[in-house]
Amino acid sequence: NAGVTQTPKFRILKIGQSMTLQCAQDMNHNYMYWYRQDPGMGLKLIYYSVGAGITDKGEVPNGYNVSRSTTEYFPLRLELAAPSQTSVYFCASSSPGLSTEAFFGQGTRLTVV
Amino acid sequence: QQQVKQSPQSLIVQKGGISIINCAYENTAFDYFPWYQQFPGKGPALLIAIRPDVSEKKEGRFTISFNKSAKQFSLHIMDSQPGDSATYFCAASRGGATNKLIFGTGTLLAVQP
Repeated sequence: NAGVTQTPKFRILKIGQSMTLQCAQDMNHNYMYWYRQDPGMGLKLIYYSVGAGITDKGEVPNGYNVSRSTTEYFPLRLELAAPSQTSVYFCASSSPGLSTEAFFGQGTRLTVV
Repeated sequence: QQQVKQSPQSLIVQKGGISIINCAYENTAFDYFPWYQQFPGKGPALLIAIRPDVSEKKEGRFTISFNKSAKQFSLHIMDSQPGDSATYFCAASRGGATNKLIFGTGTLLAVQP
């Protein structure tokens, strides 16, 4: 069972470039999330989705976009990359209900130069 | 606004000692309080979690203590081992609709042999 798979693991972008971070889960989870992790800041929620076709903003959505056309995939799009988007990005998924575990991918380390 | 405050930022403990990490929350609507463990280069993984209807939960060497009136909860690691060296995040969520997790800023634990 692969769980949550993120690609790529590492990426260097130039300022102004765009890219898509891929996330796939094979647990048939309805809920999926994108977090960014910065040193000393914990994980901040960027966007989340409660099902195919439904997405909503989290705490730090500016500069990002998402789509959710299927249950399995939840890509994160960066438009016009900026140095402030240098971070480690984590995708996660969980089932609906109380006290349910969120499963995280291995992360994508992005550097914008 | 930091809804979950975590301390200390870093912690050094001798092998066999007790590691204690504290968190405080503001939103009384939170009803699920997990702790996540993260090793370098990996995504966070659920360690232990508690709901506010109990004051303590123990799983092996890991214990969560929960004080609802003070809006605080803590992680205790008994007989700390070098393999416990990792970053620990507390989190909180309101169960049901989205299960969005609000994370603390993390504690880097180093257990010295």
